[in-house]
Amino acid sequence: GENVEQHPSTLSVQEGDSAVIKCTYSDSASNYFPWYKQELGKRPQLIIDIRSNVGEKKDQRIAVTLNKTAKHFSLHITETQPEDSAVYFCAAKKGGGNKLTFGTGTQLKVEL
Amino acid sequence: GAVVSQHPSWVICKSGTSVKIECRSLDFQATTMFWYRQFPKQSLMLMATSNEGSKATYEQGVEKDKFLINHASLTLSTLTVTSAHPEDSSFYICSARESSGSGDTQYFGPGTRLTVL
Repeated sequence: GENVEQHPSTLSVQEGDSAVIKCTYSDSASNYFPWYKQELGKRPQLIIDIRSNVGEKKDQRIAVTLNKTAKHFSLHITETQPEDSAVYFCAAKKGGGNKLTFGTGTQLKVEL
Repeated sequence: GAVVSQHPSWVICKSGTSVKIECRSLDFQATTMFWYRQFPKQSLMLMATSNEGSKATYEQGVEKDKFLINHASLTLSTLTVTSAHPEDSSFYICSARESSGSGDTQYFGPGTRLTVL
């Protein structure tokens, strides 16, 4: 089955800096890659996703890039703010209604 | 995005009792919902896939007789933890899959914190 690895497990940045979280996946048939943000005790919230027919997608300060050849995708957050502090999960899924496989999560801390 | 509700948000019960958790898609129909369990500082562990009108598909190692899932309508799935024990204490989160022309998107409920005494 699919295996998703996520790095780093923790990331500390200064406010205003950029943060990058990377994920690799094993199943070349995966074609959907969402990113979720989860604050402590709350639900995972979808912040951005990308499908395999595009290489990059951007939404304000958040962007995701996908390299299908290398089977990795990354989350980029620019101009980080304290409210960006949370755990971020990447995930991958094949088409046809299969389940999401999640990465292990990255604890992002944005320091003042 | 679409909205998924979950009830209750927290529950405390005695060992040996059963607890039912509801997951509802509020503004879309979901033929498929998912039930996850999450331990502190860990990732989401898929327990089962709930399909409307049919039996749930359980992940390896998850006891189907202990975690009963019912998906009787396109907007409601329930998870019943039967004969709960302290080791069942956890954060249970459901999600619902919304299908559109561009593909499927999964939205999560707010979670239920279960504490078994």
